[in-house]
Amino acid sequence: DFVMTQSPDSLAVSLGERATINCKSSQSVFSTSSNKNFLAWYQQKSGQPPKLLITWASTRESGVPDRFSGSGSGTDFTLTISSLQAEDVAVYYCNQYHSSPITFGQGTRLEIK
Amino acid sequence: EVQLVESGGGLVQPGGSLRLSCADSGFTFSSNWMNWVRQAPGKGLEWVANIKKDGSEQHYVDSVKGRFTISRDNAKKSLYLQMHSLRVEDTAVYYCASGSGWIIENWGQGTLVTVSS
Repeated sequence: DFVMTQSPDSLAVSLGERATINCKSSQSVFSTSSNKNFLAWYQQKSGQPPKLLITWASTRESGVPDRFSGSGSGTDFTLTISSLQAEDVAVYYCNQYHSSPITFGQGTRLEIK
Repeated sequence: EVQLVESGGGLVQPGGSLRLSCADSGFTFSSNWMNWVRQAPGKGLEWVANIKKDGSEQHYVDSVKGRFTISRDNAKKSLYLQMHSLRVEDTAVYYCASGSGWIIENWGQGTLVTVSS
């Protein structure tokens, strides 16, 4: 199974500052046949279902603010929020959809400092 | 727009059975892979199972293999999860979720399953 490990487990950032969340996969999620990384990021606010933010490691979903960006390849990935807003308080999850079983990271809780 | 509504959750004793349902009010149900993802209270997300657009292929996480069965009825735009031999550790909010492939794009609000004596 692909084990997804996020760091840190929790993070406190001041409004307007940059937030960075890391995700490491135990195996490469890169597919040579499609030349893509099968890696997504989700945001889950309290009491709500998750919301898809980024697919293919770096492609923002429609309607997702451009302060959210994804990067990385192979086994190491990063979600960056360039200028933290109050509405970004949430738990963030990385997810691989390369192979079954589909797996998620343990989550990173993002708070305002 | 896809709107997924789960039902069927509740309290069940260990060893019992429960059937979850998910209704899709959108127009693309038969074009989507469908998933069940669960979240234990205060914990992270755990993918449970998915099923191909035409129902011909299913995948499960090891912890539910042989106990849970995912199925779908495209004519009714509905997804199901039959759960047998339930354990305390199966207690969670169960989300129905869809995607054009294995990307989980749209999520329902979830239904709570509590396994307790």
